[in-house]
Amino acid sequence: AQTVTQSQPEMSVQEAETVTLSCTYDTSENNYYLFWYKQPPSRQMILVIRQEAYKQQNATENRFSVNFQKAAKSFSLKISDSQLGDTAMYFCAFISGYSTLTFGKGTMLLVSP
Amino acid sequence: GAVVSQHPSRVICKSGTSVKIECRSLDFQATTMFWYRQFPKQSLMLMATSNEGSKATYEQGVEKDKFLINHASLTLSTLTVTSAHPEDSSFYICSAREDESSGNTIYFGEGSWLTVV
Repeated sequence: AQTVTQSQPEMSVQEAETVTLSCTYDTSENNYYLFWYKQPPSRQMILVIRQEAYKQQNATENRFSVNFQKAAKSFSLKISDSQLGDTAMYFCAFISGYSTLTFGKGTMLLVSP
Repeated sequence: GAVVSQHPSRVICKSGTSVKIECRSLDFQATTMFWYRQFPKQSLMLMATSNEGSKATYEQGVEKDKFLINHASLTLSTLTVTSAHPEDSSFYICSAREDESSGNTIYFGEGSWLTVV
């Protein structure tokens, strides 16, 4: 069974600074996908970024980038130039084949002025 | 990105009645949809996997007779909470999966707040 671990229940950062959220996972699969989802107070789950395991290049989406270390089974999210609107719960998630999505417990990120 | 619409966003019902929540994939066909429940300050708890044209697969501990799931078409899945009780009050959220050739990405609906009084 796959597991996803987010070891930081809460993080805080000041506006315009950079913050990194950690995520590790455990799997015996070789082909899989990793995601970061953002859940703001509205509760909607918003896809932030995705990474295919077979791609060595780290995914980037504007201010969001990942550091994917396949051998270490690590998938951290870096948010650059943090904005107040980035305040949310962030979930790391894993899926392989036609399995269900496995979530971490989430990291609450607070961006302060 | 793909859009998944969930309706209603908020619903209040009386104890003992049933309420239906709809989940639609608007711009892609979803052979598989998922239903989650989320308790305050917790991660999403998978309730069931809904496959188009077949019976849903329920997670352990989820009552299939209480949470009826129907996936009648490639773009619509419904969750019906039957004989609702106050303890069923929660945030319910659905998701739909693009096929693997499109990246196997799962997109979520906006969620539905259910309050049973």
